[in-house]
Amino acid sequence: SQQGEEDPQALSIQEGENATMNCSYKTSINNLQWYRQNSGRGLVHLILIRSNEREKHSGRLRVTLDTSKKSSSLLITASRAADTASYFCATGLYNFNKFYFGSGTKLNVKP
Amino acid sequence: EAQVTQNPRYLITVTGKKLTVTCSQNMNHEYMSWYRQDPGLGLRQIYYSMNVEVTDKGDVPEGYKVSRKEKRNFPLILESPSPNQTSLYFCASSFRGTGATNEKLFFGSGTQLSVL
Repeated sequence: SQQGEEDPQALSIQEGENATMNCSYKTSINNLQWYRQNSGRGLVHLILIRSNEREKHSGRLRVTLDTSKKSSSLLITASRAADTASYFCATGLYNFNKFYFGSGTKLNVKP
Repeated sequence: EAQVTQNPRYLITVTGKKLTVTCSQNMNHEYMSWYRQDPGLGLRQIYYSMNVEVTDKGDVPEGYKVSRKEKRNFPLILESPSPNQTSLYFCASSFRGTGATNEKLFFGSGTQLSVL
């Protein structure tokens, strides 16, 4: 399977702490994206990092990509209760027209 | 407002009774796709479409059909639903699919299907 795998499966932290989620994948990619899902609702795109980029920031989000290790991490700084959600990585494969999703990290931010 | 609209939000049916889940996008996207989400398995792609009249299988196409007669619509058809198709279904679209470097997916709100 070319599916990404997130780690950990679940994460519980206090408000204000940082949350780090990791994603590993198996094949060469065009880009890697992170999505957020609130409680069974549709996924919302957070950030995209291209295969030739190593780090990207967006507000309180920081994404890194290590193509040699086929891994990515998502850091949410100064977490808030409203960040409670499931987070998924997705890999886009050029010429395959498919996006592959991992099984997600469930983040719980306690107020 | 740019959006992907899925209907219905919830659907309960019985084994063998044909059903259709509709999906429509208003962003003039070429690429549309269906996913199912099951606990512990993440999202798995069922079918996708690169443009009108162009569809292809994803990773779990068995028991499903799709059509793309118009650019904005991409219905998912279950001709003879079975209990193992009980799942949360999502429609998604993007401008051109993964062929472009910066493509991202826009998702519908989901359809929770229960097949009894």
